[in-house]
Amino acid sequence: DAGITQSPRHKVTETGTPVTLRCHQTENHRYMYWYRQDPGHGLRLIHYSYGVKDTDKGEVSDGYSVSRSKTEDFLLTLESATSSQTSVYFCAIRGGMNTEAFFGQGTRLTVV
Amino acid sequence: QKEVEQDPGPLSVPEGAIVSLNCTYSNSAFQYFMWYRQYSRKGPELLMYTYSSGNKEDGRFTAQVDKSSKYISLFIRDSQPSDSATYLCAMDRPGANSKLTFGKGITLSVRP
Repeated sequence: DAGITQSPRHKVTETGTPVTLRCHQTENHRYMYWYRQDPGHGLRLIHYSYGVKDTDKGEVSDGYSVSRSKTEDFLLTLESATSSQTSVYFCAIRGGMNTEAFFGQGTRLTVV
Repeated sequence: QKEVEQDPGPLSVPEGAIVSLNCTYSNSAFQYFMWYRQYSRKGPELLMYTYSSGNKEDGRFTAQVDKSSKYISLFIRDSQPSDSATYLCAMDRPGANSKLTFGKGITLSVRP
């Protein structure tokens, strides 16, 4: 299995609070991605990174920010959580352009 | 029109059946095609990776790409209950900082 660890695995938080999810990899891969997965929508890209301090927005980036200060860690922050951000969040990594992506086990976030 | 369309399912078949899963796409720039399998409450895992057109076989699984029709398929022979999962197609175009585009996934159930 690719060395990807997501933390926490489960979280319940209140509306309006900030939340940070962590993705940690031991593969030294350049590319890292955050997706959310919801019934009827499949996997949707939130943000991605193509190197340390290099990030870009995906298709559903509103309300989310990311940071990547070192190769192995990619953080996803919900600035002020809303109920619409209740979802399962997946981190993925890729070693190079056009290679396969490897996924973490997911973080199940509930905003109440 | 979404870039990648996948039959929504769900799909239920008896054990031993041949299963055909399909995706269509609209972006002719896609050159790399993948199939992922996702078990309940787990992250997606790569099943098949193909480049450009043609077939690729791995055990009971065959991936087929028809770029002229913008159509990809995954065939599962002698389906087993352990194949019960959600299957997602994914596609990528050449170039730096490219991002995978996923279908919404189809849930397959193989009845013993």
